[in-house]
Amino acid sequence: GAVVSQHPSRVICKSGTSVKIECRSLDFQATTMFWYRQFPKKSLMLMATSNEGSKATYEQGVEKDKFLINHASLTLSTLTVTSAHPEDSSFYICALAGNTGELFFGEGSRLTVL
Amino acid sequence: AQSVTQPDIHITVSEGASLELRCNYSYGATPYLFWYVQSPGQGLQLLLKYFSGDTLVQGIKGFEAEFKRSQSSFNLRKPSVHWSDAAEYFCAVGADTGRRALTFGSGTRLQVQP
Repeated sequence: GAVVSQHPSRVICKSGTSVKIECRSLDFQATTMFWYRQFPKKSLMLMATSNEGSKATYEQGVEKDKFLINHASLTLSTLTVTSAHPEDSSFYICALAGNTGELFFGEGSRLTVL
Repeated sequence: AQSVTQPDIHITVSEGASLELRCNYSYGATPYLFWYVQSPGQGLQLLLKYFSGDTLVQGIKGFEAEFKRSQSSFNLRKPSVHWSDAAEYFCAVGADTGRRALTFGSGTRLQVQP
């Protein structure tokens, strides 16, 4: 399967600052990538679908101005949490779509906003 | 809309015992079904998938799952559990083999007793 690298694995920031999370596909041309958010002891909630070279498609209820997604190349998608607040603290996971319907996940990034 | 139900939030089994994790899905057409495993603070690893054909699918780490259309189920099984199997297990459903997001169940946390 594809190898997906996500960075940073953990980040702590102050309220009001912005944080960028990178998701890299190391061995696969990632035309489509997904960003999920996972709350403690909860399932994964799809935030947005990111297509290379075009604007991301956000799920209902996800603020596109707060969660900026950029997918400028076939190997990199980034999620920027702007003006972060404590309620944005969560585990964010990216995934790339394989050729036969499965998803390959990054290691996840735990964001803590103080 | 598709949905996935994992009725068991938490299961504890003894090492060496057999395991079955339940998954029920709701989807109007032929579902594409997946099981993923997540270790604490990590991303998700694909255990197995079902697209068509033989309803009993084999996966990695000795896991298997059986698709039962009449019961809308895709239960995960392992004949003998190892301590290293302790993790969170997610069942997921997809619409097709295209590059689309998956819908996840709420997960089942597996604890293994020595």
